[in-house]
Amino acid sequence: AQKVTQAQTEISVVEKEDVTLDCVYETRDTTYYLFWYKQPPSGELVFLIRRNSFDEQNEISGRYSWNFQKSTSSFNFTITASQVVDSAVYFCALSEEWTGTASKLTFGTGTRLQVTL
Amino acid sequence: DGGITQSPKYLFRKEGQNVTLSCEQNLNHDAMYWYRQDPGQGLRLIYYSQIVNDFQKGDIAEGYSVSREKKESFPLTVTSAQKNPTAFYLCASGGDGNTIYFGEGSWLTVV
Repeated sequence: AQKVTQAQTEISVVEKEDVTLDCVYETRDTTYYLFWYKQPPSGELVFLIRRNSFDEQNEISGRYSWNFQKSTSSFNFTITASQVVDSAVYFCALSEEWTGTASKLTFGTGTRLQVTL
Repeated sequence: DGGITQSPKYLFRKEGQNVTLSCEQNLNHDAMYWYRQDPGQGLRLIYYSQIVNDFQKGDIAEGYSVSREKKESFPLTVTSAQKNPTAFYLCASGGDGNTIYFGEGSWLTVV
């Protein structure tokens, strides 16, 4: 069975600090996708990134970067120079190989990030 | 605006009542989903649909029902059989097989 573990329940940082959110996953599939979503206080889940299992290149998007390592089954998310607007719950998710048009996402329990001035 | 619209944002249910949460998308996605979120927990899949007139149970389907009469719409009914319905419900859709986008969610409270 698939499993996603986000061991950090809550992280507090001061603005401008760098912060890394950890994600460890388990799957028997050879083809899978990994995701990060942001959930601000308003509740909606905002899609941040999707990475397939064959692409281990790190990715950077502005202050956000992701480190995917199949050898350790990890897909960590780093925010550089954090800002108050980054305060949210962040979810890591794993999608099994799909058939048809649907995908089944398995979510971690989320990491609450609090950025203060 | 393109996206996924859920309504109502807040809903109160009396014991023994059925309630229906609406979800509409204009992204032309084939697949749609309903997830439940409880405080401090991740999301759990209730139902999903790959195409009109088709839907499949997820991990926690008991006490819920859905329909998919139109591609754009995937309403969720929380029935009186659901013993602990108070939660945050998120509708989602995904058209390319693996990227799933979410609506703003609906808060359901039993009073």
